[in-house]
Amino acid sequence: GAGVSQSPSNKVTEKGKDVELRCDPISGHTALYWYRQRLGQGLEFLIYFQGNSAPDKSGLPSDRFSAERTGESVSTLTIQRTQQEDSAVYLCASSFSGGAGDTQYFGPGTRLTVL
Amino acid sequence: AQKITQTQPGMFVQEKEAVTLDCTYDTSDQSYGLFWYKQPSSGEMIFLIYQGSYDEQNATEGRYSLNFQKARKSANLVISASQLGDSAMYFCAMRGPPYSGGYNKLIFGAGTRLAVHP
Repeated sequence: GAGVSQSPSNKVTEKGKDVELRCDPISGHTALYWYRQRLGQGLEFLIYFQGNSAPDKSGLPSDRFSAERTGESVSTLTIQRTQQEDSAVYLCASSFSGGAGDTQYFGPGTRLTVL
Repeated sequence: AQKITQTQPGMFVQEKEAVTLDCTYDTSDQSYGLFWYKQPSSGEMIFLIYQGSYDEQNATEGRYSLNFQKARKSANLVISASQLGDSAMYFCAMRGPPYSGGYNKLIFGAGTRLAVHP
């Protein structure tokens, strides 16, 4: 079946502008995650959605970052008033959330460049 | 706090040989999961293998095996019979126990870049 999809694949914006990044999880996956990967580094957790539970926002770096999810489908990550340090690849993952070994499957990412 | 350490920023191996990528972890939890992902130059994260903290056998998936040494808190990835297509970044990651905040995320190491030479 279809994997996790993200759009856009690339986004170039000017400092101070707002951006929205979209994630479509694998159908039937109840859990959705956002991560950030700066150049040459590992992934940093941003936010986690599980069904209708309150999201775990513990990884969001500032109040300029927010995310929403509609039910168990699409999620949008919004970055307001972008800064140059926001430049990174933003990766979305989803998982079935069926057990301890629940595997996260990642999308191709959105490369954000803030000029 | 949970932490993953990958001490090898870069490794190279000759095609058809085996290679071991190191991963050590730090956690106070008894229940946790360990994962390895491959990230080719295209950027996508590809799941390779999983090991649960209570699993007695080392995990294997085709040419990938995980050398799990719980007492040493290490979870090294072994790739047998390396292929040119194995050239990529490899990330070790950990997940905390269910119903804890650590379950909601993967903690990643900094990664190891593997180059397979013909």
